[in-house]
Amino acid sequence: AQKVTQAQTEISVVEKEDVTLDCVYETRDTTYYLFWYKQPPSGELVFLIRRNSFDEQNEISGRYSWNFQKSTSSFNFTITASQVVDSAVYFCALSEGEGSYIPTFGRGTSLIVHP
Amino acid sequence: DTGVSQDPRHKITKRGQNVTFRCDPISEHNRLYWYRQTLGQGPEFLTYFQNEAQLEKSRLLSDRFSAERPKGSFSTLEIQRTEQGDSAMYLCASSSKQDMNTEAFFGQGTRLTVV
Repeated sequence: AQKVTQAQTEISVVEKEDVTLDCVYETRDTTYYLFWYKQPPSGELVFLIRRNSFDEQNEISGRYSWNFQKSTSSFNFTITASQVVDSAVYFCALSEGEGSYIPTFGRGTSLIVHP
Repeated sequence: DTGVSQDPRHKITKRGQNVTFRCDPISEHNRLYWYRQTLGQGPEFLTYFQNEAQLEKSRLLSDRFSAERPKGSFSTLEIQRTEQGDSAMYLCASSSKQDMNTEAFFGQGTRLTVV
């Protein structure tokens, strides 16, 4: 069984603040993939990052960074110096095994960045 | 490449009517996915094609739903005898087989309202 929990329904910050979006997952599989997607008001899901279960190295991409910790089954996403354009719903997702892409999505965290 | 294209963007229909949505994936992407997203929820997997073969269907896909991808390019999703509970955003995604479990690219979705 798969499960992705994004406990934060909505986060509101002021521009330039740092913000961390939490993601906790459950899986019995040893091979799995974790994803983050951004969904702006336009509705299109925008891919941000993919991480496989064998690579716990944290990643930084500009103002975005991800912290993958298998010990706590978490894959948290931090935005540094947030901007109004970061306002969107962010989804964490999990898929198991090789060969297909059928992730289970969390319920999403709505991030509102105020000017 | 123009990305994943979905048509129409919005559809309002009366309960009991049939509707059909179209998805044009990124060219040369051999995998195509349909998801449904209701308000405040993450996308839920409906079905998946590799080329023209429908390889997996979710239990969410009742017998009123049918999806096709006749030539392994575009896909259609038909809902027969629509119900108010079918109101949702229907998302299509495509991915390449070159990289196993690669990320999928999503279209902007078709928002269905059943009145």
